[in-house]
Amino acid sequence: RKEVEQDPGPFNVPEGATVAFNCTYSNSASQSFFWYRQDCRKEPKLLMSVYSSGNEDGRFTAQLNRASQYISLLIRDSKLSDSATYLCVVNPTGGGNKLTFGTGTQLKVEL
Amino acid sequence: EAGVTQSPTHLIKTRGQQATLRCSPISGHTSVYWYQQALGLGLQFLLWYDEGEERNRGNFPPRFSGRQFPNYSSELNVNALELEDSALYLCASSYHLGRPSTDTQYFGPGTRLTVL
Repeated sequence: RKEVEQDPGPFNVPEGATVAFNCTYSNSASQSFFWYRQDCRKEPKLLMSVYSSGNEDGRFTAQLNRASQYISLLIRDSKLSDSATYLCVVNPTGGGNKLTFGTGTQLKVEL
Repeated sequence: EAGVTQSPTHLIKTRGQQATLRCSPISGHTSVYWYQQALGLGLQFLLWYDEGEERNRGNFPPRFSGRQFPNYSSELNVNALELEDSALYLCASSYHLGRPSTDTQYFGPGTRLTVL
C-alpha cells in the first residue's frame, strides 16, 4: 500500500463547479498534513495546511479525519486558474522532516 | 522576500558523469531538503540538511550525496549518473523550530537533469 494515495484524475469540471479531492495515508502516527498545488513543469506551491478542526481559505476548504486516515480538499466556484495538479502531502513526524507526497490529482477547469 | 533559488535550471550529462546541483534557501531558513521528481512519478524525498548536518535520508543509493554550507545553501551531488537519474530535482527550505506551522517547506523552481 502506498504511504499516500490519491485518485490521479483528471477531474474535468466546468467553471463555477465545486470539486472535491480525497487522499488517504497509511501511517497513523502522521502529524502534519498539507495540500500543495503544482502547475505543469513547475515547483509545488503550498496551498494550505490541514488541521484537525478543518480549515478554510477563501474558496478552499480542507478536512482531516484522523480515525479514517483521510484528508480532503474542496474547491468551490472553480476558476480556470485552478487547473493544476493537487498534491496531498503528509509529514510523518511533524515539523522539519521529510514530506511524503501523493502522486497528485489533476484538475482541469473548462469554460 | 526572495524565494528558494536553484541552479542550474537545466543540466545535461552523460552516463557515468557527476552532476552538482545548487540551492539557496529563503533567508532565515536553516533547513534544506532535496526531492526527486521523475517523469510520471511523485516527489521522492532524498535528503534533509539542517545547521550543516545531514538529518535524514531517503531510499536512494550512496552516490546521491550533498552538503550544507555555513550560509545554509546546499549542494546535491550525483555520482556515476545513470539514465534513470533523469528527473526534476527540487530543493525546499524551512525553519526548523519543531512546529508544523513554522516548519512548512517552500520549494525552488528545480533543476531538470537529463542523463544521456
